[in-house]
Amino acid sequence: GQQVMQIPQYQHVQEGEDFTTYCNSSTTLSNIQWYKQRPGGHPVFLIQLVKSGEVKKQKRLTFQFGEAKKNSSLHITATQTTDVGTYFCAGGDNYQLIWGAGTKLIIKP
Amino acid sequence: DAGVIQSPRHEVTEMGQEVTLRCKPISGHNSLFWYRQTMMRGLELLIYFNNNVPIDDSGMPEDRFSAKMPNASFSTLKIQPSEPRDSAVYFCASSLNGNIQYFGAGTRLSVL
Repeated sequence: GQQVMQIPQYQHVQEGEDFTTYCNSSTTLSNIQWYKQRPGGHPVFLIQLVKSGEVKKQKRLTFQFGEAKKNSSLHITATQTTDVGTYFCAGGDNYQLIWGAGTKLIIKP
Repeated sequence: DAGVIQSPRHEVTEMGQEVTLRCKPISGHNSLFWYRQTMMRGLELLIYFNNNVPIDDSGMPEDRFSAKMPNASFSTLKIQPSEPRDSAVYFCASSLNGNIQYFGAGTRLSVL
């Protein structure tokens, strides 16, 4: 069946370092969405990408959708403690989303 | 808008008991999703409804799990009988036509 692979599973960074998570789909996606889940919280929608090659920015976050609409990435510049949490990508497929396993961002003390 | 409302927020029960989780989606949304999240298995889709009709229940673990959506503003997920391995956080989410999903705060279930 359709799958979305997300790597890495965890990423430990020093505050101020950059963070990147990658998603790859086995099939072409109609869109890709990104969600953030804070520790103890619930997934919260961040952004949706629809067009091939699309790049969107939200302050220090940069989201990309690949030309073939099969891969996507989220890059955070100069991480802050407020960025801590798990970032999920989710590929649009008709009425449901195919979820990646998430990348947990951990800030080293 | 109040967002997606789930109840209860926490549930502790004993093995063998029936558990009912409740969800009120965002008004106007026509798709509803039930998820289970554990450390081991991550976020799993259990079932989703479109216009109150179950579309895909392939993620429902077994016959002990059942879900209903009697109307557009209410859904339940029932586990009968519950087992310790059912312990997890259960999320309900709603969307308009399967697009952006809005999650409730979740129900943390502990089965002893």
